[in-house]
Amino acid sequence: EPEVTQTPSHQVTQMGQEVILRCVPISNHLYFYWYRQILGQKVEFLVSFYNNEISEKSEIFDDQFSVERPDGSNFTLKIRSTKLEDSAMYFCASRDTGGGQPQHFGDGTRLSIL
Amino acid sequence: AQSVTQLGSHVSVSEGALVLLRCNYSSSVPPYLFWYVQYPNQGLQLLLKYTSAATLVKGINGFEAEFKKSETSFHLTKPSAHMSDAAEYFCAVSAGNTGNQFYFGTGTSLTVIP
Repeated sequence: EPEVTQTPSHQVTQMGQEVILRCVPISNHLYFYWYRQILGQKVEFLVSFYNNEISEKSEIFDDQFSVERPDGSNFTLKIRSTKLEDSAMYFCASRDTGGGQPQHFGDGTRLSIL
Repeated sequence: AQSVTQLGSHVSVSEGALVLLRCNYSSSVPPYLFWYVQYPNQGLQLLLKYTSAATLVKGINGFEAEFKKSETSFHLTKPSAHMSDAAEYFCAVSAGNTGNQFYFGTGTSLTVIP
């Protein structure tokens, strides 16, 4: 069964550094998402992406964050200047067209900011 | 706007006993509802979904959920718990429009006692 894959599985970065989290969505999916889960808390929506542009974003997704689909297969989340509070598990998801389609999640990237 | 409330952040059941995980939703439009399971250090795996067809939905691993509009509930059940069911369970709601984000509950951690 097709899967969403995320790399790396764990990223350790110094505060203030830029980080790029990578995702390969399921190949025929057109809608892409990033979520984060701070340890012990619920999964929070960051951003959705369709047709090469952001379709929705939450208040968490401020100017430090950006997303890109650079080559038709990868979907990346960039954090320009990381803060301690960015430490979390970041999940990528994709979904097919049509109402009620579930989102398919990757295994996540654990981001640790030192 | 959509939201989900999961009552009980921790549920413990004996092996072989009934599992009942509660989810109540709020939605301004007919919702699409989902249950996901998260095993340690893994992503979110879809258990089942409600998309306005049958109100009783069967999922993987013997789980099922019943959509009750009058109670705005979508509780997850399994007749007989297995040790392998120990995990974190998340209920999510979506307005269903393609591209719409999912709103997750805070999760319920299920412990199965041998």
